[in-house]
Amino acid sequence: EPEVTQTPSHQVTQMGQEVILRCVPISNHLYFYWYRQILGQKVEFLVSFYNNEISEKSEIFDDQFSVERPDGSNFTLKIRSTKLEDSAMYFCASADRGPSGYTFGSGTRLTVV
Amino acid sequence: SQQGEEDPQALSIQEGENATMNCSYKTSINNLQWYRQNSGRGLVHLILIRSNEREKHSGRLRVTLDTSKKSSSLLITASRAADTASYFCATDGSDMRFGAGTRLTVKP
Repeated sequence: EPEVTQTPSHQVTQMGQEVILRCVPISNHLYFYWYRQILGQKVEFLVSFYNNEISEKSEIFDDQFSVERPDGSNFTLKIRSTKLEDSAMYFCASADRGPSGYTFGSGTRLTVV
Repeated sequence: SQQGEEDPQALSIQEGENATMNCSYKTSINNLQWYRQNSGRGLVHLILIRSNEREKHSGRLRVTLDTSKKSSSLLITASRAADTASYFCATDGSDMRFGAGTRLTVKP
């Protein structure tokens, strides 16, 4: 069964450093998403991406965040200067026809120290 | 943005019992989905119910949707210890939003 792949599974970074979280969506999907989940809290929407541009972003997705689909297969989330409060599980998802039929990756656990 | 809100926040039952979790939401939807998450792990899609459906079954799962009350329920029948996880509902809109989840513990 096709799946969404996220790498790395766990990343530890120093505060202030840049991190790039990588995702390989399902190949025929057109809609891509990033969500995050702070430990013990709910899953929060960050950003959606379609047709090579951001279609919606939440208030969490400030100027420190950016997304890119650099080569037609990868979908990346960059955090430019990490803060302690960026520590969370980050989930990538892709879908073929908008919000119905999401497939989530298994997540990247980001720890900022 | 719209999102689901589940209740109860936590539910503890014995193996073999049924578990019912509820979800309420605020605005109109096209569909509602239920997800499961084992502790510290990824999200697993369980079932999707469309706004024109009232009930849907998948194995031991039964989902109902009442659009007039803006609510949904997830019933897990004959629960097993392996069903222990957090369960989230998520509603669509422009993009999917999640509730805080129900933490289900099934004791053997």
